[in-house]
Amino acid sequence: AQTVTQSQPEMSVQEAETVTLSCTYDTSESDYYLFWYKQPPSRQMILVIRQEAYKQQNATENRFSVNFQKAAKSFSLKISDSQLGDAAMYFCAYRRTGSEKLVFGKGTKLTVNP
Amino acid sequence: NAGVTQTPKFQVLKTGQSMTLQCAQDMNHNSMYWYRQDPGMGLRLIYYSASEGTTDKGEVPNGYNVSRLNKREFSLRLESAAPSQTSVYFCATGAPGQTQYFGPGTRLLVL
Repeated sequence: AQTVTQSQPEMSVQEAETVTLSCTYDTSESDYYLFWYKQPPSRQMILVIRQEAYKQQNATENRFSVNFQKAAKSFSLKISDSQLGDAAMYFCAYRRTGSEKLVFGKGTKLTVNP
Repeated sequence: NAGVTQTPKFQVLKTGQSMTLQCAQDMNHNSMYWYRQDPGMGLRLIYYSASEGTTDKGEVPNGYNVSRLNKREFSLRLESAAPSQTSVYFCATGAPGQTQYFGPGTRLLVL
């Protein structure tokens, strides 16, 4: 069974600085998708970024980018120029192509200090 | 467009009571999902529906039933609530195999 591991239960960063959140996953599949979701205190789950495994280029969305290392099964999220509004729980998630099932990690709580 | 809506936002039940959580989407997606989120855990899939008229079990289906009423609506029913079902419940929708979009969640407390 596929598993997703986020080894950092909590992280903190100073406003305007850069932080990287780690995620590793375990799968025997070669074709899959990876996601980062943000959950602020409102509990709304918001998609931050998505990566297709067949793409070698790392996905970017404004201040958010990923470092996708397929061989190492690693998918880290880098937040540049951190803002107070980035404070939230961040969840890494995996889905095998053709499957409806999204597998989540346990999350990393990010605190942004002014 | 509202996206994905869930009702109620918060509910308190006594052990053994039943209730139905409602979810509706206006994104015209075929697939809909129900997840639960417990403290210190990521979301876990309870049931999903890949299209109108079909439903399938996810990771933690015991104690729940679902109904895909039409393309827009997907309900989750607890027939006899237990304290272990205290959780936050999220509905999601997506095109098959694509990104899932989540509703705001329902907090359920079972006493």
